[in-house]
Amino acid sequence: EIVLTQSPGTLSLSPGDRATLSCRASQSVGSNYLAWYQQKPGQAPRLLIYGASRRASGIPDRFSGSGSGTDFTLTVSRLEPEDFAVYYCQQYGGSPMYTFGQGTKLEIE
Amino acid sequence: EEQLVESGGGLVKSGESLSLSCLASGFTFSIHTLNWVRQAPGKGLEWVASIASHSSVISYAESLRGRFTISRDNAKNSLYLQMTSVTTDDTGVYFCARIGIYMAYSLDVWGQGTTVTVSS
Repeated sequence: EIVLTQSPGTLSLSPGDRATLSCRASQSVGSNYLAWYQQKPGQAPRLLIYGASRRASGIPDRFSGSGSGTDFTLTVSRLEPEDFAVYYCQQYGGSPMYTFGQGTKLEIE
Repeated sequence: EEQLVESGGGLVKSGESLSLSCLASGFTFSIHTLNWVRQAPGKGLEWVASIASHSSVISYAESLRGRFTISRDNAKNSLYLQMTSVTTDDTGVYFCARIGIYMAYSLDVWGQGTTVTVSS
């Protein structure tokens, strides 16, 4: 089983700051099947990044993903008020088919 | 608009059964692999099960195998999850989610979720 560990657990920043979220896998993630999601309270997750670095449709370009193998990063270049939420990474492959990280809460400082 | 709408959640007692549904609209349902993902109160996301476009491949989270059954009816644009012998650990919001085509197996469309509460 591939375990995804996200850090930090909570990130306190201000609007306009740059946010860097980490996702580390216990084994190499095949073909960069790594995605990032944003979830706000009471809402479903929203796909931000797929294939480790490709932005999903309609996602602002301040969101970017990078990494390969076991180390992946989600960067938000300049935080907007609506970006404060919980972020999850997710990998596909192996058994179980999908695993999610435990999440990083991005909160206003 | 591409949309998934779940239904069927509610309050059940431990040991009982419950069936969830997910109705799709705005896209060609039959070509997509569909999934169920759940979220316990205040917790993270947990993948539950996946079913390929014509039900040829079905997968479950190991801890749920044997109690949950995923199925679909492409003629009705519907996805289902049959839950049996539920426990309090099954309490949470259940989302259906679509695997995007050529999107590295990411989940690109999600429903709003249906809440399942299991009482002891």
